[in-house]
Amino acid sequence: DTGVSQNPRHKITKRGQNVTFRCDPISEHNRLYWYRQTLGQGPEFLTYFQNEAQLEKSRLLSDRFSAERPKGSFSTLEIQRTEQGDSAMYLCASSPRSATYEQYFGPGTRLTVT
Amino acid sequence: TQLLEQSPQFLSIQEGENLTVYCNSSSVFSSLQWYRQEPGEGPVLLVTVVTGGEVKKLKRLTFQFGDARKDSSLHITAAQPGDTGLYLCAGALETSGSRLTFGEGTQLTVNP
Repeated sequence: DTGVSQNPRHKITKRGQNVTFRCDPISEHNRLYWYRQTLGQGPEFLTYFQNEAQLEKSRLLSDRFSAERPKGSFSTLEIQRTEQGDSAMYLCASSPRSATYEQYFGPGTRLTVT
Repeated sequence: TQLLEQSPQFLSIQEGENLTVYCNSSSVFSSLQWYRQEPGEGPVLLVTVVTGGEVKKLKRLTFQFGDARKDSSLHITAAQPGDTGLYLCAGALETSGSRLTFGEGTQLTVNP
């Protein structure tokens, strides 16, 4: 039974560069979520997909952020022109059709912008 | 203002002691989850409660959902060093679909 996987696990980038993260959900989970977590805080919702449709975006998701789930399986989160304030843990979660509130998280991608 | 208030924020106890962590809100939740998170890892789902007044037990952990579905508690009996971690409550508001709102977490340290 494979859980949610995320790649890369760590990313260090210079301010102004673009970065892309990938999330592979648990197979057959139709919903996929992105959250961001900074030190000492709980995760904050960014966006979620049902199959390939992006159904909701948080106001935290500025114009520099874009997420896709082109075939309803894996998802990518891209951050353009990174800023130091983007440094955080980016978490992906998925949930099954039968229990959308039961979200299973991946190990996260730790982004450091220097 | 945090929608879900967790208390205490930090807790350091000796092995064998009991403890309770609280999660409170003025809003009604359609479901509430408890997660445990280790440093550098994603949160791991422990339990989901959906019915007001519901009590669930997971070995030495007891979870309760308030009657009005606005609050929850996590009680650990005879804590062990392996229980050390960040405990997060998260809820799905009745008005916000399936997005989860998280508390700030309770950092528990169980000393041997």
